[in-house]
Amino acid sequence: SAVISQKPSRDICQRGTSLTIQCQVDSQVTMMFWYRQQPGQSLTLIATANQGSEATYESGFVIDKFPISRPNLTFSTLTVSNMSPEDSSIYLCSVGPPFAETDTQYFGPGTRLTVL
Amino acid sequence: QKEVEQNSGPLSVPEGAIASLNCTYSDRGSQSFFWYRQYSGKSPELIMFIYSNGDKEDGRFTAQLNKASQYVSLLIRDSQPSDSATYLCAVNNAGNNRKLIWGLGTSLGVNP
Repeated sequence: SAVISQKPSRDICQRGTSLTIQCQVDSQVTMMFWYRQQPGQSLTLIATANQGSEATYESGFVIDKFPISRPNLTFSTLTVSNMSPEDSSIYLCSVGPPFAETDTQYFGPGTRLTVL
Repeated sequence: QKEVEQNSGPLSVPEGAIASLNCTYSDRGSQSFFWYRQYSGKSPELIMFIYSNGDKEDGRFTAQLNKASQYVSLLIRDSQPSDSATYLCAVNNAGNNRKLIWGLGTSLGVNP
């Protein structure tokens, strides 16, 4: 499986500000996903990050609030914009396996965000 | 609405016992089934995947799939305190480009 890193690992932010989370993979992968996991809850898919094109967002998530970049096959960013306390959550990136077309996903360590 | 259902627990078993975790899914077209383990404060890690009906064993873990009943389970033999975690069941979203549908997870506690 790929080695996935995320930065920052945690942050405390003021409402109204924005935070950009980075996801780096040690090999080229086709599929990259961004999830949110609120305390005690399961995973909610925010969007699929598509290399070279706009991300595909799930119902309830919009590009203005969660802009995503994917400049190449090893890197993606998620920005949480104009934050409110309701955005406090763990944000996770996941990837499909390198050089394989399967549905398996591997997760980065996550970014724990607290908005005051 | 495609769904994956799990008993939220908590499920408590004594050390050395067999823990049985269950999952049902609604999408009859699903072909790939996954079990992830998530320790508190950590990200999910893949334990097993299964594609075919029947059993698949990996060490102390056995995944069981019954597509006719839309049911997948995970058995953990000789449970250890280190198995205490939340177990997430995920199912592929048939026809929807690699996305997974996630259950809410079952919390397992193994008592020494």
